[in-house]
Amino acid sequence: SQQGEEDPQALSIQEGENATMNCSYKTSINNLQWYRQNSGRGLVHLILIRSNEREKHSGRLRVTLDTSKKSSSLLITASRAADTASYFCATDGRYSTLTFGKGTMLLVSP
Amino acid sequence: DTAVSQTPKYLVTQMGNDKSIKCEQNLGHDTMYWYKQDSKKFLKIMFSYNNKELIINETVPNRFSPKSPDKAHLNLHINSLELGDSAVYFCASRKTGEEKLFFGSGTQLSVL
Repeated sequence: SQQGEEDPQALSIQEGENATMNCSYKTSINNLQWYRQNSGRGLVHLILIRSNEREKHSGRLRVTLDTSKKSSSLLITASRAADTASYFCATDGRYSTLTFGKGTMLLVSP
Repeated sequence: DTAVSQTPKYLVTQMGNDKSIKCEQNLGHDTMYWYKQDSKKFLKIMFSYNNKELIINETVPNRFSPKSPDKAHLNLHINSLELGDSAVYFCASRKTGEEKLFFGSGTQLSVL
């Protein structure tokens, strides 16, 4: 069954603006990951946040986790055209598999 | 020196045919996966292998048969292809104890 649900489904912004994507999940987790998928390519790991963490930073990425609300957000600051991609959250499932949400398609226009 | 490589990149075939997709990883990982991504980009786990042993088979039709000859390879054979099998199939791997998945670039399967 699907665990993560991202919103919005699609987001269109201008270069330099910030992009925020949200993810909600249903069951308790040990960690939550975010992945990026460029068109026609495989997914690439961006960042992982553990269940005992509330916020994590990596370069222009900021991830928050609220386990009481079962939600996470990914913020990309000062976006660039190269950030155009689909972004997925993933939660750890049974037997160490990852369950992915439906993704947010981000379009950054120059 | 691609970490997780899949072949072929594109596969176009007729209904009823049998086809295979190959996956190899050179990362020294011991767990490999097949995921299916549908036209709405939803990714669903199909199979998980650890040290050549099947761990998960997520209600996939038995027309799909994964084979892992060694820890570095996980191939997917599909018999009697159906229109609904059209999707992008991703191979992924990771090292036991680590959470991060490494994905191949996908195989776009089109069944006509």
